[in-house]
Amino acid sequence: SQQGEEDPQALSIQEGENATMNCSYKTSINNLQWYRQNSGRGLVHLILIRSNEREKHSGRLRVTLDTSKKSSSLLITASRAADTASYFCAINSGGSNYKLTFGKGTLLTVNP
Amino acid sequence: SQTIHQWPATLVQPVGSPLSLECTVEGTSNPNLYWYRQAAGRGLQLLFYSVGIGQISSEVPQNLSASRPQDRQFILSSKKLLLSDSGFYLCAWEQGAVGNTIYFGEGSWLTVV
Repeated sequence: SQQGEEDPQALSIQEGENATMNCSYKTSINNLQWYRQNSGRGLVHLILIRSNEREKHSGRLRVTLDTSKKSSSLLITASRAADTASYFCAINSGGSNYKLTFGKGTLLTVNP
Repeated sequence: SQTIHQWPATLVQPVGSPLSLECTVEGTSNPNLYWYRQAAGRGLQLLFYSVGIGQISSEVPQNLSASRPQDRQFILSSKKLLLSDSGFYLCAWEQGAVGNTIYFGEGSWLTVV
């Protein structure tokens, strides 16, 4: 399966700390996407990183991609209570989002 | 700007009853449209996708069907709901070119009782 696997499944930190979540996958990819989901809500796109990119930033978010290790990481710096959510990686393996596959997510809890 | 609307937000239906979830996208034309289902504590499972009016592809065999009667309208249906159809259903769209960002609606909670 091309499904991304997030690690850890759950992460609890204090406000101000950094949070790192990892995603591993099995075969070649076109791009990898990170999404955030607040409880009971829809998913919000965070960052898309293409297979020829190694790092991307967006505000307090930093995503890295290591295609040799088939892994990606999402770093949230200076976390806030409002960052509490589930974070999913999604694998685009065929150039088409028809086959975009999601992992089961990491539940991040940021304690005030 | 583009927006996606999905309704109803919550739905409680008896076993054997029909289902209709609707999704519309505004501010774009000829989008690719998707229906996903998310079971509790699980990732998203792609149910259907559509690249144009009347064009529907199904990813998994199931008790559900989808239709796209208009360019920016995507409907998820069932003639007779099963208990196992309960879940969180998400509509999503992307601009037609492949490999772009997918944008999700707010989701519909379906409970089959």
